[in-house]
Order: sequence, then C-alpha cells, then structure tokens
Amino acid sequence: AQKVTQAQTEISVVEKEDVTLDCVYETRDTTYYLFWYKQPPSGELVFLIRRNSFDEQNEISGRYSWNFQKSTSSFNFTITASQVVDSAVYFCALSEANSGGSNYKLTFGKGTLLTVNP
Amino acid sequence: NAGVTQTPKFQVLKTGQSMTLQCAQDMNHEYMSWYRQDPGMGLRLIHYSVGAGITDQGEVPNGYNVSRSTTEDFPLRLLSAAPSQTSVYFCASSSGTGQETQYFGPGTRLLVL
Repeated sequence: AQKVTQAQTEISVVEKEDVTLDCVYETRDTTYYLFWYKQPPSGELVFLIRRNSFDEQNEISGRYSWNFQKSTSSFNFTITASQVVDSAVYFCALSEANSGGSNYKLTFGKGTLLTVNP
Repeated sequence: NAGVTQTPKFQVLKTGQSMTLQCAQDMNHEYMSWYRQDPGMGLRLIHYSVGAGITDQGEVPNGYNVSRSTTEDFPLRLLSAAPSQTSVYFCASSSGTGQETQYFGPGTRLLVL
C-alpha cells in the first residue's frame, strides 16, 4: 500500500525566512508520480509540481524548489524568502501509474499548515 | 473552458437524507475521481472512474455510490447521510496522458446533522 507522511503538522515562520516542508513516501511501484499542492485559506487546491520517479533532478521555480531523493524516499519542498501569501496548507501526494503512464489515484499526506507572519 | 465544476458549494443534510453531489468537467478528460477532506486527514480517495461506464472504489467508498454515464459528469451519491460524512468533497479529473496532472474542482462543503 502507498503512504505519504508529512511529519510537520504546523510550521510558523517570520516573513523572509526560508522554510522546508518535508515529505516521505512509501510505495512498491517502480513507476510513480509525486506532487505538491497548495491549499490557501480560500480552500481550493492549487497544483504546484509533478515529478515522476525516473527524474531525480531537483527543480526550482522562482522562490520554490523541490528536492527529490529516491534513496531516502523523500520529496521535500523549500520556500525561499517566505511571504505572507505563502500561508496555506501544503499537501504532498503520490500516484501510482497505470501502464499508459497516466495517474488518477492520489494518496495524500495529511498536510502541513504553514503560517508566515509579517 | 470552466474546468472542473462542483455543485452545490455548501449543503446541510439531516441524518438519513440522501443527496447527490454534482461534478462536471469540460476538458474531455477520461479520468475522474472523488476525494473527501477531513481535518488532519488530508484528502482520501472515495471512488474513481477511468472512463464512461467504468468506476471503481478508492480508500473510503462505504456510504457512497457513483456512476459515469457520460465523459463529462461524475456524480457522487449519498444514499443515507450520516454525521461521519460531514466533510469537504473534491472532484478531480485528468486526461490520462503521461504529462497530465489532476485538476480539482472548488469543493463542496457538506454538513450532516
């Protein structure tokens, strides 16, 4: 069975601090996909990144960066120079892939509530 | 292109009542899913569909029924609501191609008294 663990339930930082959100996953699949979603106070789910199991290259998008390490089954998310607008619940998720490479069944972690204080 | 739409946005039910949560997508996606979100639990998969006429159970299917008669619509039915079904429900869709992700609807907040 697949499992995603986000050990940090809540994190509070002051604006401009860097913050890393941890994600550890378990799966027996050799092909899988990892995701991060943001859920702001308004409640919608905002897709941030999708990473497949073949690609361990780290990714940077503006102030966001992701560190995928297969050896430790981790997919951590770092926000550099945090801003108040980054305050949200962040979910890490794992998807099995069917033979066509698609993904449609996500296993979510319990989420990390990030509060960025001015 | 509206993406994934859900109705209603909010609903209050009494225990034992039935209702249908509506989900529609206009992206011609084959794959659709229903999740529920409870405090401290993340999102959990209820049911999913890989195409019209094909549905299957997810992690927490008990108390819910689904059907998929068209590509666009994937309604979730609560036959006899229970307080344990108080939750926020999200519908999602994806095309199934390798580079696609799931697109989520805005959610339906359900309160069962």
